[in-house]
This record gives sequence, C-alpha cells and structure tokens, in this order.
Amino acid sequence: EAEVAQSPRYKITEKSQAVAFWCDPISGHATLYWYRQILGQGPELLVQFQDESVVDDSQLPKDRFSAERLKGVDSTLKIQPAELGDSAMYLCASSPQGNTEAFFGQGTRLTVV
Amino acid sequence: GQNIDQPTEMTATEGAIVQINCTYQTSGFNGLFWYQQHAGEAPTFLSYNVLDGLEEKGRFSSFLSRSKGYSYLLLKELQMKDSASYLCAVQDSGNTPLVFGKGTRLSVIA
Repeated sequence: EAEVAQSPRYKITEKSQAVAFWCDPISGHATLYWYRQILGQGPELLVQFQDESVVDDSQLPKDRFSAERLKGVDSTLKIQPAELGDSAMYLCASSPQGNTEAFFGQGTRLTVV
Repeated sequence: GQNIDQPTEMTATEGAIVQINCTYQTSGFNGLFWYQQHAGEAPTFLSYNVLDGLEEKGRFSSFLSRSKGYSYLLLKELQMKDSASYLCAVQDSGNTPLVFGKGTRLSVIA
C-alpha cells in the first residue's frame, strides 16, 4: 500500500541550530501539506503545495521556517534557527489533485533542547 | 475565521457505544472528516461527510448536519484498541487544507 514517507522519525537539536525534515508523498499526489502538531493539540497547517507552487503559507513563520518542493514531488521543511517552542510533531500529508482526503506520513518528532 | 470544537477527553467501557461530537463555524463548507490518531503515530482517515445524514462504516459511523454546523462520530462495540485521539477536520472549499479541531482523547476501559 502506498504511503507518505518522512524522515527522520525523531530529531533532537539544540536551540539556534538548523534542522531539516524530508517528505516523499504518495506517487501522483499533486497536493502536499506540512502540518505542525503540538502535544495534545490538533495539527495546524504550516504550508500547502500544489505541484511545485506554494498555495498557502500564511501560517508559516517565515523568519525561521522555509519549505520547498522543487520538482513537485518530494519536499523539505527547514527551521533555522530552531527555538525551544518549535518542539512538536511535524506531519507531512498528501492528496490527489481534485480529491480531498489527506494521507499522513508517520511524522518527525522534533525536540529542541 | 474558522472554529472547530470537540470535547477534550472521554472515557467509555469496552463493548459500549460512544459518541464524539464536533461543532464547527467556517466561512465555507466542502466536507467534514474524522481521523483517528494513536499516541505518537500519524492520523489515519476514518470518514468523510459532505451531505447531511449518517455514513456507516463497520463499527464506526459519522453524522453531519450542515445547517447546525454539527457532526458526531459514533463508535460501537468499543475495543481497547480504540483508545486514541479522534480529530474532527473541516475543509471550507475545494483544494484548501483541512482545518483540525484539537482532538478528543478517548480512553476505553475494561
């Protein structure tokens, strides 16, 4: 069964360091999302891509966060510099163009110390 | 803006039935989703409602009333493995991202 792949599963970094997460969506899915989920809360959207274009990044803290999907397939989310408040689960999801159900990856749990 | 409310926690007994409610206020409506999320894992899709009424899928059913901005997820014949968080999410128009509630943490006890 096709899955959304994310790596790493876990990441511990010191504050002020740079950190990057990778996501490979289900093959053929044009829409890709990055969500952040704080423990005990629901996922909150950071950025949405349609192919290689950013559709919505209104909630992305652009002073420290960046995201790209250069070839319209896999995507990278970067944080530089990391802050203690960035500790959370970072979830990638994808959906087929024209479809609405989002399929989630296993997520990257980030701990900033 | 968008506002999605659901209870924070619920407890139910193995073998029983539990109903998890969700109310929403959104600028548009293109469907309501329920996801299940076990601790430390990714959310997995349970159900989708876009028209009023009940959608049944095995032990799980989901109901929608668009006029009331209300949905519920019904879990029957509860099993211990149903202990998880249940997330209500709304899409306000086609190809816009899902907006999630904070989730309801369900504990199933013997």
